[in-house]
Formats: sequence, structure tokens, C-alpha cells
Amino acid sequence: NAGVTQTPKFQVLKTGQSMTLQCAQDMNHEYMSWYRQDPGMGLRLIHYSVGAGITDQGEVPNGYNVSRSTTEDFPLRLLSAAPSQTSVYFCASSYSGQGANNSPLHFGNGTRLTVT
Amino acid sequence: AQKITQTQPGMFVQEKEAVTLDCTYDTSDQSYGLFWYKQPSSGEMIFLIYQGSYDEQNATEGRYSLNFQKARKSANLVISASQLGDSAMYFCAMIPHNTDKLIFGTGTRLQVFP
Repeated sequence: NAGVTQTPKFQVLKTGQSMTLQCAQDMNHEYMSWYRQDPGMGLRLIHYSVGAGITDQGEVPNGYNVSRSTTEDFPLRLLSAAPSQTSVYFCASSYSGQGANNSPLHFGNGTRLTVT
Repeated sequence: AQKITQTQPGMFVQEKEAVTLDCTYDTSDQSYGLFWYKQPSSGEMIFLIYQGSYDEQNATEGRYSLNFQKARKSANLVISASQLGDSAMYFCAMIPHNTDKLIFGTGTRLQVFP
């Protein structure tokens, strides 16, 4: 099993550019999420989805959009990149989010994004 | 506010010794889950152990155990017989009941020396 696949692994953007971080999972997980990791701040939830067609905001959603048209894919869009969005981005999935507290997250390997 | 606090930015331990990584949490929920994840220098996030708030026994997974003290709202990770490969960042996380938002602490960097 591939698990959770994120692409690209590295990306450099100029301020104002847009891009989409891709995330796909092959475990038939209903729950998918995006986190950003910054030094000294741990992981912070950007957006999440509990199933196809359903998305919701996390702790730091501003500047990011998501959609969930299929169970497998959960892309994260940066519409107009800013230097404050320089970070490492992780996509994660689990069997079930709500109510299934013992369902651990499976993480992708991360995307390191630099905005200049 | 729901929050995870890891007060140890860095810890050192000698190989084969045990080490405890501290985690305290703040929630008014009665039902919640607690997780520990490991992040090696290669960057991936690895699930280690889970504790449910209603679990009567402390969770254990091989060399990892979770010292769960509900009244004190602490969920410390104990690693027994440390190995050089245990050197990594360790994150404590909590998911409150009926939410889908996993909340992470800021992490503890563990270094195991020979």
C-alpha cells in the first residue's frame, strides 16, 4: 500500500503565485486533513474533511482552500502565496475522525514550501 | 480552550535508559483521545500510542507506555530501554469528543547518546 502520498516534496513560489498541493490516500479513509508545521509551533490544522463533499476549517484556514470530490483525494490550494505560508505541509488521513478517537492519523511525507 | 502543553523543548537520555516525555492537556470534555507521534529527522510522522479517556489501564506498545493521570490531565510518554534510533521529535496530541480536530503540542526533541 502506498498509504498517503503528497506531491510535490519541495516547492518554491514567489509572492502572489498560486499552486495546489496534492494529497491522495489508498486506504479508503473517510477522514483527511491538512496541517502545517512551523518551528516551535507544532502542527496546526488548516482544513479537514470527514468524507467526500464535506470540508471544514481548522485552526489556521486563511489563505487556503480545499475540496473533496473523491474519497481518495484532498488537494490544498494556495490562491495567492505569501511569505507567511512558508512551512512544511502534511496531509493526513484516518479511518474515521468523528467519534472514533482511537483512529490514528496516517501522515504523508510532507511538502516543504518556500514563498519568496 | 483546548490545549496541549509539552514543557520540555529538549531531552537527553543515555542508551538503554528509560525516559519520560511530559504532556499535559486542557479540555472540559469528559471523552477524548490522546496520541503520541514520533518525527525522526527524515520528517515523517509516525504514530506510537493511543490512550482513551475512559481506558482504565495505561496504554502500552512495545517499549512505549503512556502514563495517564486523568485527574492531573497528564499523558506522559515513557520510553524504556532507549535506543539511538529513538532520537527524534515527539508530539503529544489530543482529539476532543465529537470533534475532528486533532490538537498537537509543540513537541519535545529527544536525543539518545551512547
